[in-house]
Amino acid sequence: GAGVSQSPRYKVAKRGQDVALRCDPISGHVSLFWYQQALGQGPEFLTYFQNEAQLDKSGLPSDRFFAERPEGSVSTLKIQRTQQEDSAVYLCASSFNFGRNQETQYFGPGTRLLVL
Amino acid sequence: AQSVTQLDSHVSVSEGTPVLLRCNYSSSYSPSLFWYVQHPNKGLQLLLKYTSAATLVKGINGFEAEFKKSETSFHLTKPSAHMSDAAEYFCVVFFTGRRALTFGSGTRLQVQP
Repeated sequence: GAGVSQSPRYKVAKRGQDVALRCDPISGHVSLFWYQQALGQGPEFLTYFQNEAQLDKSGLPSDRFFAERPEGSVSTLKIQRTQQEDSAVYLCASSFNFGRNQETQYFGPGTRLLVL
Repeated sequence: AQSVTQLDSHVSVSEGTPVLLRCNYSSSYSPSLFWYVQHPNKGLQLLLKYTSAATLVKGINGFEAEFKKSETSFHLTKPSAHMSDAAEYFCVVFFTGRRALTFGSGTRLQVQP
């Protein structure tokens, strides 16, 4: 594809609801990252995939957060029992093979999540 | 500890005047360094990156940054600001041993007519 796409672009959830955020990386990109950007802050790392393998999930804030990339392309970030503090922009990024050459990460437009 | 610090949360310049956005990092090793720009409601866009080649790095839209190891700095500059440069700028570091990027807290650049 032309770039990283994310859906939905905006999501409003009631506290306690589950949400699923989708990321379509650039075709052929091996590495995929999820970041969380709170209002007025820089993005913070959540988790990282190399193909379908989740190699680092140290940034996930709680066990309510779960990410998967079962076929090594599209990824889904799921948040269970959403809380107000989960309100943020969730960014997805991909790169050809970041682990080898620190190549550029290309970011999607993000999903803005608001938990009421 | 490894960290990245953007010294100014907000910078305001007049159109046509120089831009300086400051960034310092803390690391035991020479990291890879990036500057990203984020326009409202748009994705993060790479401006430039340093990966241990030339210390003066040129990026898109007339921006450049200089890596100074002795000062552990990677300040972003542009000779003449344009209205379209108004955005949020992030200094970003890739530390050896981690796989993810570490972002600074951001600097909001305002350009006055």
